[in-house]
Amino acid sequence: AQTVTQSQPEMSVQEAETVTLSCTYDTSESDYYLFWYKQPPSRQMILVIRQEAYKQQNATENRFSVNFQKAAKSFSLKISDSQLGDAAMYFCARGGADGLTFGKGTHLIIQP
Amino acid sequence: GAVVSQHPSRVICKSGTSVKIECRSLDFQATTMFWYRQFPKQSLMLMATSNEGSKATYEQGVEKDKFLINHASLTLSTLTVTSAHPEDSSFYICSASIGGSEKLFFGSGTQLSVL
Repeated sequence: AQTVTQSQPEMSVQEAETVTLSCTYDTSESDYYLFWYKQPPSRQMILVIRQEAYKQQNATENRFSVNFQKAAKSFSLKISDSQLGDAAMYFCARGGADGLTFGKGTHLIIQP
Repeated sequence: GAVVSQHPSRVICKSGTSVKIECRSLDFQATTMFWYRQFPKQSLMLMATSNEGSKATYEQGVEKDKFLINHASLTLSTLTVTSAHPEDSSFYICSASIGGSEKLFFGSGTQLSVL
């Protein structure tokens, strides 16, 4: 089975600080995509950032960046200058055209 | 960006009845749609993949006779929960891709409560 593991059920960070959410995955494919999704209390899934496995350069989207270590099958998300609106469940996912496999999620709490 | 509309957002039904959930791509043609289920405080689990005009592919452990999926057009997929029971109560989310790409667009989800 191709799994995605998020080892941090919950993380807490002070507003304006930086936090890193960890994710490891298992795959037998050489070409795949990795994603971080945010799910606020509304439960709408919001794409935060996306990484193509064949690209060595780490993806960035404003305050969000990833540390993609392909050999280690690691894909962590760094949120800089945390804001109250960042509070949500964050899911790491692997996949592509055949759908997504999600991790169990990390509940991110922002302390004002 | 591409919009996926999912209805209803919330439904309450009696045990033994059937419920239909619709997932529409509003501004693009979705050749592939995915249906996920999410239990409270848990992750999203892929239930099935549907391609327009063909039978859905179900994940292991998902009863195809209970969760009927129809993808009759490039803009509409439906999930029917037949003879619903309380254990089917869950949050169901659809997603759609454009041309089989890795870019997925999610509906807003349906909370099903079976009494």
